[in-house]
Amino acid sequence: NAGVTQTPKFRVLKTGQSMTLLCAQDMNHEYMYWYRQDPGMGLRLIHYSVGEGTTAKGEVPDGYNVSRLKKQNFLLGLESAAPSQTSVYFCASSYSSFEAFFGQGTRLTVV
Amino acid sequence: GENVEQHPSTLSVQEGDSAVIKCTYSDSASNYFPWYKQELGKRPQLIIDIRSNVGEKKDQRIAVTLNKTAKHFSLHITETQPEDSAVYFCAALRLNNDMRFGAGTRLTVKP
Repeated sequence: NAGVTQTPKFRVLKTGQSMTLLCAQDMNHEYMYWYRQDPGMGLRLIHYSVGEGTTAKGEVPDGYNVSRLKKQNFLLGLESAAPSQTSVYFCASSYSSFEAFFGQGTRLTVV
Repeated sequence: GENVEQHPSTLSVQEGDSAVIKCTYSDSASNYFPWYKQELGKRPQLIIDIRSNVGEKKDQRIAVTLNKTAKHFSLHITETQPEDSAVYFCAALRLNNDMRFGAGTRLTVKP
């Protein structure tokens, strides 16, 4: 039972490049979340999904897109990376109002 | 949207003392309030949670209290130990399953 797995763990991008972060969970959770973590700012919600085929904006959605084509996967896309998107990205999944399980994080640097 | 404020941002205590971290939330419809502990370089992990129909919950040295009228909740750690040193995050879950986090508290327990 792997829980929540994020791919990749580390990535360096040049400004303007695009990339997709993959989050996969094997717990049959309905709800999935993408957060970014910056020093002194905690975990800020980017986008989330309450089920397959649904997505919703969080508090910092600009510059990101998401898709939830399969229940177990939640993809986060950066169409044109900017230095301000340098951060640690965490994916989480949960079943309704219960414990959210986090992935190990993806450290992204945009130069 | 939901706004979760967390205080203090840093807290230093002597081993054996108690530590208290406080959070306030803005959305009165929020119904689930978890606390996460994040050790350096690791993913956040749930340590305790409380639902809106409960005023207090305790698990060994950790307790959480909730005041729905005032819209604030607190984490209490008694008999602190060096291994309690970490960053602690509070969070609030809204009815639409949008989960927002506080900015975090860095707790240092001095031996």
